[in-house]
Amino acid sequence: QSALTQPPSASGSPGQSITISCTGTSSDVGGYHSVSWFQQHPGKAPKLMISEVTKRPSGVPDRFSGSKSGNTASLTVSGLQAEDEADYYCSSFSSSNNVIFGGGTKLTVL
Amino acid sequence: EVQLVESGGGLVQPGGSLRLSCAPSEFTFSDFWMTWVRQAPGKGLEWVANINLSGGEKNYADSVKGRFTISRDNAKNSLFLQMNSLRAEDTAIYYCARGTVGAPRSAFDIWGQGTMVTVSS
Repeated sequence: QSALTQPPSASGSPGQSITISCTGTSSDVGGYHSVSWFQQHPGKAPKLMISEVTKRPSGVPDRFSGSKSGNTASLTVSGLQAEDEADYYCSSFSSSNNVIFGGGTKLTVL
Repeated sequence: EVQLVESGGGLVQPGGSLRLSCAPSEFTFSDFWMTWVRQAPGKGLEWVANINLSGGEKNYADSVKGRFTISRDNAKNSLFLQMNSLRAEDTAIYYCARGTVGAPRSAFDIWGQGTMVTVSS
């Protein structure tokens, strides 16, 4: 099964907003309310930022938000800060009873 | 502190076997789905396998099906990944992760630090 499609890179200046997309199919992103987003800093384990498309776990700043339309999910980071520079991965449950990750997006804060 | 600690990684020859372990602390292990995720050097995340609360349901990525076996021992608070017939492409950091209550199969709120598996002759 193919990975979900994410842009390889994104960038923004401090204080700006950026949106990262995650495109799948009706068998994964479009078919389930199960998209998650993870943040990973170099050499560290991933961290859950968004679950079930829009839910923000305790401790995650409200600058991070998630949404979905059809087969595409999105992560928006508002008020960019230097510490937001990291790799971001989306994931979704799929009809094959497994989980698919996106290829990852490297976010640069200019 | 709620955490997961993996162990068992190392260098193994192609065709060899390795058994990874994951030990939780500060939460009731038997209440959560558990998942293994791997990350090849310089690459993205890849879901490997998951297991339900009792161990009665197990799911695998096509890339490891028939070679890897996920299991758990709730009495001993341990998660395992038995890896057989290892290939060079299995070289990766392996993370164990806890599923959330709301999305146990696809959202992972606690991750271990990872254990490196290198398959090479």
